[in-house]
Amino acid sequence: SQTIHQWPATLVQPVGSPLSLECTVEGTSNPNLYWYRQAAGRGLQLLFYSVGIGQISSEVPQNLSASRPQDRQFILSSKKLLLSDSGFYLCAWSVNSEGSPLHFGNGTRLTVT
Amino acid sequence: AQSVTQLDSQVPVFEEAPVELRCNYSSSVSVYLFWYVQYPNQGLQLLLKYLSGSTLVKGINGFEAEFNKSQTSFHLRKPSVHISDTAEYFCAVGQGGSEKLVFGKGTKLTVNP
Repeated sequence: SQTIHQWPATLVQPVGSPLSLECTVEGTSNPNLYWYRQAAGRGLQLLFYSVGIGQISSEVPQNLSASRPQDRQFILSSKKLLLSDSGFYLCAWSVNSEGSPLHFGNGTRLTVT
Repeated sequence: AQSVTQLDSQVPVFEEAPVELRCNYSSSVSVYLFWYVQYPNQGLQLLLKYLSGSTLVKGINGFEAEFNKSQTSFHLRKPSVHISDTAEYFCAVGQGGSEKLVFGKGTKLTVNP
C-alpha cells in the first residue's frame, strides 16, 4: 500500500533563517506531488505541484520554493523565512488521472518567531 | 473559476444526533467531489468521493453524501454521530487534474456528550 511521510512534525524557526521540509511517498511510482499551506479559517492554499522529476509549478508567488530531486521526494524550501510563513504545511500525492483524490501527509506545524 | 462554499463554519451537536454538513459549489459542468476529515494536528483523510454514477455516495466511518446537480450541492450526512467524529471537515471540488482541486474553508464539527 502507499504511504506518505512528512517531516518534521513541528518546527520553530527565527525570522531570516532557512527552511527545508521534506516529503516522501512509498508504494507508487511517478505520483503527482503537492505542497499546501493551511492557515486558520482560510482553508487550504496550493503552493506548488509537480508531475515529474524536476517539474515544478508554482501557484502563488511567495518566499518559498520547491524541488523534486527524485521521483517520490518533494522538498519545500526558503532561503529566509518571514513571520507570514508560519502555518501548517501539508504534502500530498495523487496518481496522474482525472478525478484522482489527494492523499495527505500528517503535516508540519511551522512557527516563525 | 470554480468555488466551494461550506455554509457553516461550526456545527455543534449532541452525541447520537444526526448531522448534515453543507457544501455548495459554483460550476454546473461536470465535476468530481470529495469530503475530507482532519483531526487536530493531522493531515486530511479522504472520507468519500463522487466521480459519476449513483448520486448517493457512502464513505468511511458511517458518513454519506448526496450529489445534487441541479442545486450544485454535495452535503455530508451521518445519522448518528459519536464523540470521535469531532474534527474539521472539508469539501473539495475539481475539474480536470488534481492541481485544480478547490477546497472549502472547512466546517468544525463538535460532538458533545
